[in-house]
Amino acid sequence: ETGVTQSPTHLIKTRGQQVTLRCSSQSGHNTVSWYQQALGQGPQFIFQYYREEENGRGNFPPRFSGLQFPNYSSELNVNALELDDSALYLCASSSFRGGSNSPLHFGNGTRLTVT
Amino acid sequence: GQQLNQSPQSMFIQEGEDVSMNCTSSSIFNTWLWYKQEPGEGPVLLIALYKAGELTSNGRLTAQFGITRKDSFLNISASIPSDVGIYFCAGKHMDSNYQLIWGAGTKLIIKP
Repeated sequence: ETGVTQSPTHLIKTRGQQVTLRCSSQSGHNTVSWYQQALGQGPQFIFQYYREEENGRGNFPPRFSGLQFPNYSSELNVNALELDDSALYLCASSSFRGGSNSPLHFGNGTRLTVT
Repeated sequence: GQQLNQSPQSMFIQEGEDVSMNCTSSSIFNTWLWYKQEPGEGPVLLIALYKAGELTSNGRLTAQFGITRKDSFLNISASIPSDVGIYFCAGKHMDSNYQLIWGAGTKLIIKP
């Protein structure tokens, strides 16, 4: 069973730039969620994708956007980067069946630093 | 964003001691999850709880879903060095099928 993999592991960007983070979901999972984890905090929900569409969103501005592909992999895009976007970005996959999600399985995250 | 109240924030314990941490919410949850996160890694699921009053064990770990559905606790018995890490509680509201609300974590440190 292949787990959730994310790339890159680390990234440094300048304020105002754009970034794309990638995630491959665990085999057998059809749903991908993205979370932002600031230092010393718990993760904050950004959004979830199911059947290639966003089906839930947390309190994040539109410059945070995503995609899910037919093989269930996903991208997180952040435009016009701000210093406060510096964080660990976690991707999690789950199986949505029968109207409910299985528990999330997380990747090891991408550490984004905005200077 | 919304967070659960998780306590304690950190714990310094001796190897072999039992550990207890808890999480409370102002609203009702229908799912409580406990995760552990180690440096450089994502959170790893320890225990999932789906019913009020449910008590579930995973080896030396035991977690309970509070009767009021607004709290949960995690106990670790006879701690060992590999238990060090940050433990997070996470919950899901009844009206949400996807969003997990997280605590700020309990950092467990074992004194040599």
